[in-house]
Amino acid sequence: DADVTQTPRNRITKTGKRIMLECSQTKGHDRMYWYRQDPGLGLRLIYYSFDVKDINKGEISDGYSVSRQAQAKFSLSLESAIPNQTALYFCATQAGGYNEQFFGPGTRLTVL
Amino acid sequence: GQQVMQIPQYQHVQEGEDFTTYCNSSTTLSNIQWYKQRPGGHPVFLIQLVKSGEVKKQKRLTFQFGEAKKNSSLHITATQTTDVGTYFCADYSMDSSYKLIFGSGTRLLVRP
Repeated sequence: DADVTQTPRNRITKTGKRIMLECSQTKGHDRMYWYRQDPGLGLRLIYYSFDVKDINKGEISDGYSVSRQAQAKFSLSLESAIPNQTALYFCATQAGGYNEQFFGPGTRLTVL
Repeated sequence: GQQVMQIPQYQHVQEGEDFTTYCNSSTTLSNIQWYKQRPGGHPVFLIQLVKSGEVKKQKRLTFQFGEAKKNSSLHITATQTTDVGTYFCADYSMDSSYKLIFGSGTRLLVRP
């Protein structure tokens, strides 16, 4: 089974709808991240969390919120989706220090 | 803000040709990581470079960290169709927040 899972894998929604993307991990890592990927722009950090009581904004947090329900779960919400939030969203985990990050399979979100 | 610039954005090579992607920064890079994302996939960690002038090899892939820690490169010798994908470099944020700053990536296509 995959160590980092994301649900849903694909989602089409309409402008103004509330959307939640979920991430779960079995790696036992404390650090979790949400990224957004757009063509030609690489990966941009939305939010990150180092434990269940720690939530930090990344470079593009406007229009998004997160919840760290447990060490293994980190959810990303779009309170009122807009078309320019159409993108590929990745969750990632990290053990600590300056170690590598492990990415989930991604959620492709389309906002009409 | 801190930026990691990656060139070229895109490269199309004939199978068997070499390929190089470059990662540059106006500030000193700390811990460079390289990731590969296959088409339709998620980023997967390849390697980390920490020391000035460091060179690491993984089969046909050679990773270098510049002497001044302002640049890094990934060189693939004799490309194969399995090398197709987007290669990202990433550096840790200077503010010691354990955030990774990703370059925009180099997309490699290989003609068989």
